[in-house]
Amino acid sequence: RKEVEQDPGPFNVPEGATVAFNCTYSNSASQSFFWYRQDCRKEPKLLMSVYSSGNEDGRFTAQLNRASQYISLLIRDSKLSDSATYLCVVMGNAGNMLTFGGGTRLMVKP
Amino acid sequence: NAGVMQNPRHLVRRRGQEARLRCSPMKGHSHVYWYRQLPEEGLKFMVYLQKENIIDESGMPKERFSAEFPKEGPSILRIQQVVRGDSAAYFCASSPTGSFNQPQHFGDGTRLSIL
Repeated sequence: RKEVEQDPGPFNVPEGATVAFNCTYSNSASQSFFWYRQDCRKEPKLLMSVYSSGNEDGRFTAQLNRASQYISLLIRDSKLSDSATYLCVVMGNAGNMLTFGGGTRLMVKP
Repeated sequence: NAGVMQNPRHLVRRRGQEARLRCSPMKGHSHVYWYRQLPEEGLKFMVYLQKENIIDESGMPKERFSAEFPKEGPSILRIQQVVRGDSAAYFCASSPTGSFNQPQHFGDGTRLSIL
């Protein structure tokens, strides 16, 4: 079993749609959680950190459920520029390495 | 540009040659991480360094790969006697203190191609 699992997609949605991605992680001792986006295998860019209380940044909302070891990302009012691969990322307690999920590809169509 | 700087952006080597990849962290960051992304795969951790120290190299292949972060100058990822399977994108990231709740910021990466 992979340490961080994501549905690879692709998710094809029209502009303006709401789309949700999910992610599960296997290490219950994981400390920190993030969503990054990656465009065409360029460098990963931090989208947002994820907190147990849930957090929102504009059209993006992230949730963490530690009991279920589950992380989600909700994107409202999708834009063409949201087309990218979204990476679920976990930082463990044994060092500072990031463990990446395989990514979920999103394609927003006009 | 105060971001993480990597060079070269693209590097072509023949099998058996050496590859040197450089990374200068963001200003004020003293913690550097190297990750590798093989074609059609996700990013995988390789090594974590602070100035003059290797903190965690659990993701580094046992042979041919080494990394350093000297007191002065950039961090270097060195691959000796490259093979076709080393072809990948190598990303460097940095953080200010290495604290577990601090996100890491990535450089543009070096795309290594082995002929």
